Amino acid sequence: QSVLTQPPSASGTPGQRVTISCSGSSSNIGSSAVNWYQRLPGTAPQLLMFSNDQRPSGVPDRFSGSKSGTSASLAISGLQSEDEADYYCATWDDSLHAVVFGGGTKVIVL
Amino acid sequence: QMQLVQSGSEVKKTGSSVKVSCKTPGNTFTYRYLHWVRQAPGQALQWMGFITPFNDDPKYAQEFQGRVTITRDKSMSTAYMELSSLRSEDTAMYFCAVVAGDGGVGAFDIWGQGTMVTVSS
Repeated sequence: QSVLTQPPSASGTPGQRVTISCSGSSSNIGSSAVNWYQRLPGTAPQLLMFSNDQRPSGVPDRFSGSKSGTSASLAISGLQSEDEADYYCATWDDSLHAVVFGGGTKVIVL
Repeated sequence: QMQLVQSGSEVKKTGSSVKVSCKTPGNTFTYRYLHWVRQAPGQALQWMGFITPFNDDPKYAQEFQGRVTITRDKSMSTAYMELSSLRSEDTAMYFCAVVAGDGGVGAFDIWGQGTMVTVSS
C-alpha cells in the first residue's frame, strides 16, 4: 500500500486534457514539494515535474503540475499517443524520513 | 550528458545476497546524495535509501533496515547497494538516481539504466 494515493488509470482521446491526482497527508505533500515521473516500458523513470509545478528542460509545456494542501495533480493537455505511460508522484515524508511514491497511474490514449 | 552506469543483471538464489554497482563517470556526483529505487514487476516505484556526499553516511527506508547496505568508493567513482536475505519478492529492477538540478529531495533527474535482479529458489 503506497503512502501517496493515485488513481490506477486515466484515459483520454488525442488532444484531450487528462488530470492525475496524488493524495497524501500533512507529513508528506502537506509539508514538502511534489515531483512527478513518467515511466515508459523498458526505460528508467524520467522526471516530468519538480517542486510542484516546475518543468525540467525538455519537458513539453503540455505538462503542468499543481499542489494544494495535502494533494497534488499533474495535467496533460493536448494528449498525444506517446504520452501513454505510467506516471508517479513522489515527495519527502517527514514522519517516515523517506522518499515516498504514489502507486502509479497508467495513462491510456484511446 | 551526465549519466550513471549500473552493473548487469543478476540471478540469485533465495536467501543469498546481491550487490549492484552504480558508476558516476568522472566523479560528477561525488558531492550529490546517491539514492536507490526499485520497481518490482507490476508494482510501484519504491525508495530504498541514499548515501550522503560528504561523510558517506547511509540512510535506509524502514522496510529495508537490516537487509540493505549502501556504500560508496569515491576513488572508483562508484556507489553500491547490497541486499541480503533475498526472497522472491525482491525480484525487481533496481535503479540508482541523483538530484543534479534544481529540485529538492526526491526530484531525481539523473538515473542509471537499471539492473534487473531475479530471485528464485
